[in-house]
This record gives sequence, C-alpha cells and structure tokens, in this order.
Amino acid sequence: GAVVSQHPSRVICKSGTSVKIECRSLDFQATTMFWYRQFPKQSLMLMATSNEGSKATYEQGVEKDKFLINHASLTLSTLTVTSAHPEDSSFYICSARDLGVPSEAFFGQGTRLTVV
Amino acid sequence: SQQGEEDPQALSIQEGENATMNCSYKTSINNLQWYRQNSGRGLVHLILIRSNEREKHSGRLRVTLDTSKKSSSLLITASRAADTASYFCATDGGAQKLVFGQGTRLTINP
Repeated sequence: GAVVSQHPSRVICKSGTSVKIECRSLDFQATTMFWYRQFPKQSLMLMATSNEGSKATYEQGVEKDKFLINHASLTLSTLTVTSAHPEDSSFYICSARDLGVPSEAFFGQGTRLTVV
Repeated sequence: SQQGEEDPQALSIQEGENATMNCSYKTSINNLQWYRQNSGRGLVHLILIRSNEREKHSGRLRVTLDTSKKSSSLLITASRAADTASYFCATDGGAQKLVFGQGTRLTINP
C-alpha cells in the first residue's frame, strides 16, 4: 500500500522555540493532507486540512499562527509549531489520501513532541 | 470535531475469543472506516464500508453498518495477542476529511 513518511518521530524542544514536522507521501501524489493531534489515550483531533498550493483550512479552535502549515508540493506538507509551550506537547500525526473516492487514508508514524 | 462514539472504551478478553467494538455517529456519511493503532504509532487502515453496504468481511474482521441507526460494529474473530491495539472508527462525510471516534483499547490476554 501507499506510504506516508513523517519526520521526526520524536522531538524535544525548549519553550519558545519552533519545531517543524514533515509529512511526505512516498509513492503517490497527495493534493490534500491532514494534520491531527492526539493526547494520551484519546482520539485523533483534526487540526487542519493542508491543500497543495493554497492555504490550509483550520478546524475551529486551532490557532493558525501557532500551527503553520505549508503544502509546497504534491508530496510534502509541513507543520510548524511556533513558540512552543509545554501544553503543545502531544502526538502529531499526518495523513494523506490518494485520488479516488472512497479511499482509505494513509498515516505517517506520528511525531511525539515534548516541550520542556 | 469528533462525532463518533465507540463502546466499549476498553475491552480485555482471552486469546481465541471474539472481540466486538461498536461505533455510533451523528451525521450522514459516504463511508465508514476502521483503523488500528498500536501504542505510539500511526494508524493502519483495516476496512472500509460504504454507506450502501450492510456488511463486509476481511480475513478475521467483520464490519457491519446500520445507517438507520448511524452505527457500525467491528468484530475480530479468534483473537490473537498481536491484535492488542486501539481501534478507531472514522466517518467520511465528504471533503475527504475523516472524523474519528473515541476509540476502543483492546487487550488480548494470552
């Protein structure tokens, strides 16, 4: 099946710094990618829909200036957590869907962010 | 926003037994999907059932969908220790985005 690669898998950063997470579709073109956040033992909360070549669509309550999303190509979307705070510590997961509806979503391995 | 509710939230059974998880949702859907997540990892797609389908099988998995009740169930037969994971249903109402249920944490005891 299709592969989505997410990097890094773990990152520890200091409060106030920014962290960039990359999500790549390795063997298909993804015009749309999705970014989720997951707290321990909880479900995935959709943060934003990343559209290639245009601005991301954010879900209600998600700060656009806090979580910067860039989808510069059909195979790469990035999420930058700016001015990170300890409460931003979480598990972030990206997903992409290949063309064709209905279709399954392919997920990256996730990034464990810890802000100290 | 999360619209799915799954029950039970946690399920612990003996190896070899069957495990059943349920999912309810609130809005109309194009299809419903089930995913598995091992601890600290990404999600793996298990099965997709379209809104006009009532039942689907894949190996030891059986999924049902009742659109009149807005509910779905996932049955894992002859469970194995390796089936231990969290299982999520996800609804696809269009616009390509999936909305996930709260998940069921399944533990298979050897």
